Amino acid sequence: RKEVEQDPGPFNVPEGATVAFNCTYSNSASQSFFWYRQDCRKEPKLLMSVYSSGNEDGRFTAQLNRASQYISLLIRDSKLSDSATYLCVVNGDDKIIFGKGTRLHILP
Amino acid sequence: DAGVIQSPRHEVTEMGQEVTLRCKPISGHNSLFWYRQTMMRGLELLIYFNNNVPIDDSGMPEDRFSAKMPNASFSTLKIQPSEPRDSAVYFCASRSTSLNQETQYFGPGTRLLVL
Repeated sequence: RKEVEQDPGPFNVPEGATVAFNCTYSNSASQSFFWYRQDCRKEPKLLMSVYSSGNEDGRFTAQLNRASQYISLLIRDSKLSDSATYLCVVNGDDKIIFGKGTRLHILP
Repeated sequence: DAGVIQSPRHEVTEMGQEVTLRCKPISGHNSLFWYRQTMMRGLELLIYFNNNVPIDDSGMPEDRFSAKMPNASFSTLKIQPSEPRDSAVYFCASRSTSLNQETQYFGPGTRLLVL
């Protein structure tokens, strides 16, 4: 099993729809989790941290399932500007692992 | 505030040449990371420093790669000799562990093409 695994996509979603991504991780001792967003030919930027209790930031909701070792990102009422690659990041044992990312295309 | 600064932004070189990438972290940040990103392998951590000391260089592909951090405001990643398979985008990122923060702030990257 890969350390951090994401569906590469692309996800082609009409504007206004809800879209969800999952990310699985192999190290059960992992301690912190994040979603980063990367626009085409740009650097990754933090989108949100992921907490055990789940957290929400506007249209974005992140959740962590430690038992099944996955994290999720839900985007509601998607906008054209949400088109990007979403990277899952897992920290643990002084190791920082980025997933390869899931590409999202929001269609007008 | 200035973010992480990287130079050059683009580099085209011939196989066998030495390449030096530079990074200036955000002032006050005490951790610095070098990453390489390709379509095939995604974003890979090459090395990271805490307080200018290399902590984990297990991601450095081979002896052709070396990284230094002579002071808190400057780091270099050197490839000597370069090979076509080194072509990638190299990102530098920094964060502040002293503030118990885990967010990494990335620079704009250096796009390297080795012919």
